[in-house]
Amino acid sequence: GQQVMQIPQYQHVQEGEDFTTYCNSSTTLSNIQWYKQRPGGHPVFLIQLVKSGEVKKQKRLTFQFGEAKKNSSLHITATQTTDVGTYFCAGRGGSNYKLTFGKGTLLTVNP
Amino acid sequence: EAQVTQNPRYLITVTGKKLTVTCSQNMNHEYMSWYRQDPGLGLRQIYYSMNVEVTDKGDVPEGYKVSRKEKRNFPLILESPSPNQTSLYFCASSLIGGESYGYTFGSGTRLTVV
Repeated sequence: GQQVMQIPQYQHVQEGEDFTTYCNSSTTLSNIQWYKQRPGGHPVFLIQLVKSGEVKKQKRLTFQFGEAKKNSSLHITATQTTDVGTYFCAGRGGSNYKLTFGKGTLLTVNP
Repeated sequence: EAQVTQNPRYLITVTGKKLTVTCSQNMNHEYMSWYRQDPGLGLRQIYYSMNVEVTDKGDVPEGYKVSRKEKRNFPLILESPSPNQTSLYFCASSLIGGESYGYTFGSGTRLTVV
């Protein structure tokens, strides 16, 4: 079945440094979504990418969808302590509405 | 306020004692799903439902049941809980077919089976 791999598993940064998490799918995706889960909280939807090569920005967050629609990345510029949490990618393939989640990247930020 | 409501938030139970975790959404979403979250394993789908009376197995359905008698409710039933079902459970819902709609998750239910 479809697998979505996400790296790194953990990332610790100093406040102000940049952060990137990468997501790779074993199959071509129809779209990919990103979620953030704060410690002790629930996943919250951030964004969905649909088009090959798509790039979307939300303030300091930049999301990319690969040309082959099999990989994606989330880049945070100049991290802040409020960015702490686990970031998940979730891919949807073909006609199946199911989302397959990556295992997430836990980001910690040292103030 | 648009939301997915799960109850209870915390539950400690004993092996074999049937329990139900409720999930309700007020957004008229067609799609609802249950996930469990375990350290190192991420979010794994248990069951999902595309609409009323339409349910299907996810990746880890063993030991669980669901029903979808009304659009807004999607309870998760553990008929005979076992310790390996100790986990953090999330219910999620979404519209179907929307270009920019992601899942809305409930606040989670932390279940401990002793």
